[in-house]
Amino acid sequence: SYELTQPPSVSVSPGQTARITCSGDALPKKYAYWYQQKSGQAPVLVIYEDSKRPSGIPERFSGSSSETMATLTISGAQVEDEADYYCFSSGFGTGTKVTVL
Amino acid sequence: EVHLVESGGGLVQPGGSLRLSCAASGFDFSIYAMSWVRQAPGKGLEWVSAISASGGSIFYADSVKGRFTISRDYSKNTLYLQMNSLTVDDTAVHYCAKGTARSFSSYGMDVWGQGTTVTVSS
Repeated sequence: SYELTQPPSVSVSPGQTARITCSGDALPKKYAYWYQQKSGQAPVLVIYEDSKRPSGIPERFSGSSSETMATLTISGAQVEDEADYYCFSSGFGTGTKVTVL
Repeated sequence: EVHLVESGGGLVQPGGSLRLSCAASGFDFSIYAMSWVRQAPGKGLEWVSAISASGGSIFYADSVKGRFTISRDYSKNTLYLQMNSLTVDDTAVHYCAKGTARSFSSYGMDVWGQGTTVTVSS
């Protein structure tokens, strides 16, 4: 698997935009996936193949990828978006704790 | 609806073995790759093992190579993980996850089970 680096934490106020980055040398060649994990729960897919959103995931979640970095954007973050977020591309990123307060 | 249910976790002594199972339903089990992912207490996610739809291609993390064996039974729609020579570092919640394609290379997972807990302790 490959090394993927994420910031340990991101904090935003409700309604603001949160951006979580995922950096890795293999990203130009492979898709990035993003998972949300709330405390005590299994991970949930929020973005697949860099920028596609599964059905049932709110439109405020979006993804992009360029060169060696993938980005998950939460536009207008809600309190319920507070969770750990992991990128995946042939291996998991280090994880980012998102706090909305 | 896609459903994955893990079982087989428990308490085991160092050096012992366990076999995890993942019963799949709600999709054509034979055309998707499957993975095992684990999470040690307070830690991040670790991709442990994966198997392609045909079973012909398999991945193991370096941390489990030579000790764990992944397999799948198409007649039972079940994924397995045989874990041998367990150490305290294998203590984790183990999740089964459905792939998004036949291959696991370059693709990820979309649906996860609720996990089964493995505790290795004397």
